[in-house]
Formats: sequence, structure tokens, C-alpha cells
Amino acid sequence: GQQVMQIPQYQHVQEGEDFTTYCNSSTTLSNIQWYKQRPGGHPVFLIQLVKSGEVKKQKRLTFQFGEAKKNSSLHITATQTTDVGTYFCAVTSGTYKYIFGTGTRLKVLA
Amino acid sequence: EPEVTQTPSHQVTQMGQEVILRCVPISNHLYFYWYRQILGQKVEFLVSFYNNEISEKSEIFDDQFSVERPDGSNFTLKIRSTKLEDSAMYFCASSLKRGGQPQHFGDGTRLSIL
Repeated sequence: GQQVMQIPQYQHVQEGEDFTTYCNSSTTLSNIQWYKQRPGGHPVFLIQLVKSGEVKKQKRLTFQFGEAKKNSSLHITATQTTDVGTYFCAVTSGTYKYIFGTGTRLKVLA
Repeated sequence: EPEVTQTPSHQVTQMGQEVILRCVPISNHLYFYWYRQILGQKVEFLVSFYNNEISEKSEIFDDQFSVERPDGSNFTLKIRSTKLEDSAMYFCASSLKRGGQPQHFGDGTRLSIL
């Protein structure tokens, strides 16, 4: 079946440092979504990317979709303690099924 | 802002018993989903539901599981003859449109099987 891997699995950064998580698919994607899950919380939708090479920004967060539409990245500039959580990418498989990536757990040290 | 609500927040059940997890999706949403997350692991798709029928289901969603929309607002997940390995957080989600649309998640039900 379709595999969606994220690296790294864990990342500890000092507050103010940058952070990047990568999402890689075994198949070409029609779109990709990113979610954030705070500790003890539920996934919260961040953004969706659709076009090859697309780059979108949300304040300190930059999302990129690869040219071949098989990978994506999320970059956070100057992390803050509020960025703590697990970041998941999610892809559609077929029309009604979503596959979540393995997630990257971010810890920010003050 | 409208939200997805799930009840109960925590369910403790003896192995072999049946449980029903309840969800109230956002009122104008048409697509509904159940996911499972074992502690510390990724979010796993169970089933999607549209127009009063299952649209897709994963390998996890076997005959032990069923979903229902008994009225215009509730969306339920029934797990029959629960097993220890069913212990997990179960999230309900809904979206306005299909495939590639933002999903809105509820706070989840933590299911503990003893």
C-alpha cells in the first residue's frame, strides 16, 4: 500500500532555532495536507498544497510541495515554545481515504 | 467557530464488550471520518462515510467495526467484542467536501480495554 514517511521522527531545538520536517510518498500525490497535533490534543489542519513546486507561507511557517509531487516540507523559522507538538503530513489515497505520515515530534527548549 | 464534538472523552470497557463512540460533526459538513491513534503513534484512517454509506475503509476496519448515522446529527462508531489492542484514541473528523479538503477533528475518545 501507499507509504508516507516523515523525517526526522523527533527533533529537539533551542527556542529561536529553525526546524524542518520532510514528508516523502512512494507515489505521486494529487495534494498534500499538513496538520499539527499539540500534546494531548487533536490534529489541527494547517494548510493544503496542490500544485507542483508550490510554496505557501503562514507567518513563520513555510510549506513546500516538491516538483515531482512526491514530497513536501514544513519549515519553521525561529521556533517558539508554542510550536511544540507533532507535525503530520496527510495525503489522499483515492477520493475518500487519507493516509497520515509517521509524524515529527518537535520539542522546543526555552 | 463550529467544532466537532465527541463523547465520551474516556471510555473504559472490559475485553469482549461492545462500545459505541459518538460524534457530532459540523452541521453543514457532508463527509465524515473515523481515525485511530495508538499512544505515541501516527493517526490511522479507519473509515469515511458519505450520503449514509461507507465510502472507503482501511484494512483495520474489519467486521468488528461498524458506523452509523442514526439521525441528522450523530455519527457513531461501534466496536464489537473489543480486544486489548483496540485501546487507543479514536478521533472523528468531518469535512465540507471530499478528497483534499480540510478535515476538522474532534477532541477524541480515549478507549481503554481492560
